[in-house]
Amino acid sequence: DVVMTQTPPSLSVAIGQSVSISCKSSQSLVYSDGKTYLHWLLQSPGQSPKLLIYQVSNLGSGVPDRFSGTGSQKDFTLKISRVEAEDLGVYYCVQATHFPYTFGAGTKLELK
Amino acid sequence: EVQLVESGGGLVQPGASLKLSCVASGFTFSDYWMSWVRQTPGKTMEWIGDIKYDGSYTNYAPSLKNRFTISRDNAKSTLYLQMSNVRSEDTATYYCTRVMGAWGQGASVTVSS
Repeated sequence: DVVMTQTPPSLSVAIGQSVSISCKSSQSLVYSDGKTYLHWLLQSPGQSPKLLIYQVSNLGSGVPDRFSGTGSQKDFTLKISRVEAEDLGVYYCVQATHFPYTFGAGTKLELK
Repeated sequence: EVQLVESGGGLVQPGASLKLSCVASGFTFSDYWMSWVRQTPGKTMEWIGDIKYDGSYTNYAPSLKNRFTISRDNAKSTLYLQMSNVRSEDTATYYCTRVMGAWGQGASVTVSS
């Protein structure tokens, strides 16, 4: 199985600060169709996960452009510019290139 | 508005069977692959498997393939997860998802005697 390594496990931030979360995979996530199926999810406290970014860098529906995703092959980053209170929760990366699909362990974003 | 509503969770004894349902609305269910994902009490996320839009093909996590079965009824816009011979490690919240882009509220399953 593809191992997804997310760092850091937790982040303590002030409102308005910018942060980055790293996600590294044990194999390239480029599929045979040339696309990279690496997505980012946010699970707010007490809520279901929500899709933030799909295929590395595409914003999900209704997701503010403070969120951005970059990366390629095995190395990916989620950046949040100007953190707001509603951004708090656990962020997960997930790869949907190789079966079985696998998730990172999550990064918990908390208020400083 | 896309909605996914799971049901069928609860307390179940080890070795028993359980069937979860997920009713979809707000989109054309028969156009989409659908998946089940579970989250353990420790918050670990695990992909269970998925099913093609017409129900003709399924993929499973190898560790669960022999005990879990995914099916769908497009006429009822409903996704199913049949769980058999459940174990304590199957205790989790089970989510149905529309290819990770939409998630239900989850169904809690506790396996305990």
